[in-house]
Amino acid sequence: KNEVEQSPQNLTAQEGEFITINCSYSVGISALHWLQQHPGGGIVSLFMLSSGKKKHGRLIATINIQEKHSSLHITASHPRDSAVYICASLGSGTYKYIFGTGTRLKVLA
Amino acid sequence: DAGVIQSPRHEVTEMGQEVTLRCKPISGHNSLFWYRQTMMRGLELLIYFNNNVPIDDSGMPEDRFSAKMPNASFSTLKIQPSEPRDSAVYFCASSFNGVLRDEQYFGPGTRLTVT
Repeated sequence: KNEVEQSPQNLTAQEGEFITINCSYSVGISALHWLQQHPGGGIVSLFMLSSGKKKHGRLIATINIQEKHSSLHITASHPRDSAVYICASLGSGTYKYIFGTGTRLKVLA
Repeated sequence: DAGVIQSPRHEVTEMGQEVTLRCKPISGHNSLFWYRQTMMRGLELLIYFNNNVPIDDSGMPEDRFSAKMPNASFSTLKIQPSEPRDSAVYFCASSFNGVLRDEQYFGPGTRLTVT
């Protein structure tokens, strides 16, 4: 059974700091999805990746298949980045996401 | 595209009442998912449709919950009778295929409060 763990659970940063959120999973997967949820808000898709690295604006996601690990980086963090970040793994040939517990990020001005 | 559309965005109802949540997936997507999110349990998959057919309803809590997808552009999740423990945020998501690394796109959610 795949277990998905995120760290840290909570993170407070000052505006402008470089932030890293980690996601580890226990069995091989076909893809990993990073999601963002603002307080009281909907869930927004950030990245889906199966290898290597993806970049969108100030956000960068990487995945290391051999080490079963993915990271989400935020450069030049801003208070509007404050949200819960969730990673979700997708196994081969399956539709079911296994969700991490989320990382609650707060960026202070 | 407008994305996944859900209605209502908020619903407050009394215990015992029937509640119907609605979802319009992204046009062209053939997979639809209903999720429930609570503080205690996080995101849980309730039911998955592919080409309007329910494929996996093992996450539906009990017989009080039912879901339908009469056509490719509409789905409902019904709770009858509702109970306070059903209070949660219910998300609908859609994807093109459901498998093969297809990204799921989530709707804004319906926040349900049962008093």
